[in-house]
Amino acid sequence: NAGVMQNPRHLVRRRGQEARLRCSPMKGHSHVYWYRQLPEEGLKFMVYLQKENIIDESGMPKERFSAEFPKEGPSILRIQQVVRGDSAAYFCASSPADTGTNSNQPQHFGDGTRLSIL
Amino acid sequence: AQSVSQHNHHVILSEAASLELGCNYSYGGTVNLFWYVQYPGQHLQLLLKYFSGDPLVKGIKGFEAEFIKSKFSFNLRKPSVQWSDTAEYFCAVKGPSSASKIIFGSGTRLSIRP
Repeated sequence: NAGVMQNPRHLVRRRGQEARLRCSPMKGHSHVYWYRQLPEEGLKFMVYLQKENIIDESGMPKERFSAEFPKEGPSILRIQQVVRGDSAAYFCASSPADTGTNSNQPQHFGDGTRLSIL
Repeated sequence: AQSVSQHNHHVILSEAASLELGCNYSYGGTVNLFWYVQYPGQHLQLLLKYFSGDPLVKGIKGFEAEFIKSKFSFNLRKPSVQWSDTAEYFCAVKGPSSASKIIFGSGTRLSIRP
C-alpha cells in the first residue's frame, strides 16, 4: 500500500545544471500537485496536474521550471539552469479525482526531494 | 487575496501542558480547512480536516480543531501534549473543488520539554 513516492530524496546540482524530480502518485490517484518549501517557510503551491494536462501552474516561476504528468510514468518537475535560490525541499502530493463519494479528497504527501545547489 | 496566517512561529511547552495553535485565513467563498503535521525528517501527514457540518473536528493523536466562521479561524488544540508531539504544524485552506490548490500557513514549530 505504497504512498506517494518521490525520488531522489536528496539531489545535489551545480549552478547551471538541470534538476529532474520524480513523483509517483498513490495508486488510484490521478491528480498531482507540486509544492516548494524554502527554509523557515511554509509550503508554496507550484503546479497542479492531471494525466497529460496542466490544470493550474499559477505558482510556477515563468522561466526554467516545467512540469509534466505523462499518460505512463511518474510526474516530473524539471528545473533548468539551476541557481542557488532553487535550493529547497520540493514536495509532491496526490489525490483521487473528485467523483461522487470521493469528493473533497485531501492530498497525500510524499517525503519530498531536498535539492541543494552548489 | 487568499492567505493563511499562523501567528506563533515557535511554541515551547512542557509535557502535559495544554496546546492551542492559532490559524486565521482569508479566502472568499466555501473553504476546506486542514491541519498537517511534519515530524523531523518526515513528510507532511494530515492531522484533521474540516469540510462541512460540525465545526469541532477531531483528528488523530488526540488533536482537535474548531472552525469559527465569524472569526475566520481554525485553531488547533490538544488538552495534554507529549514529547512525541514535537513537530512543525501547518494550517492550510483549500477551495471546494479538486482544482483548488492548497494554501499553507508558514507553520508553527512545537517543542515539548520532557
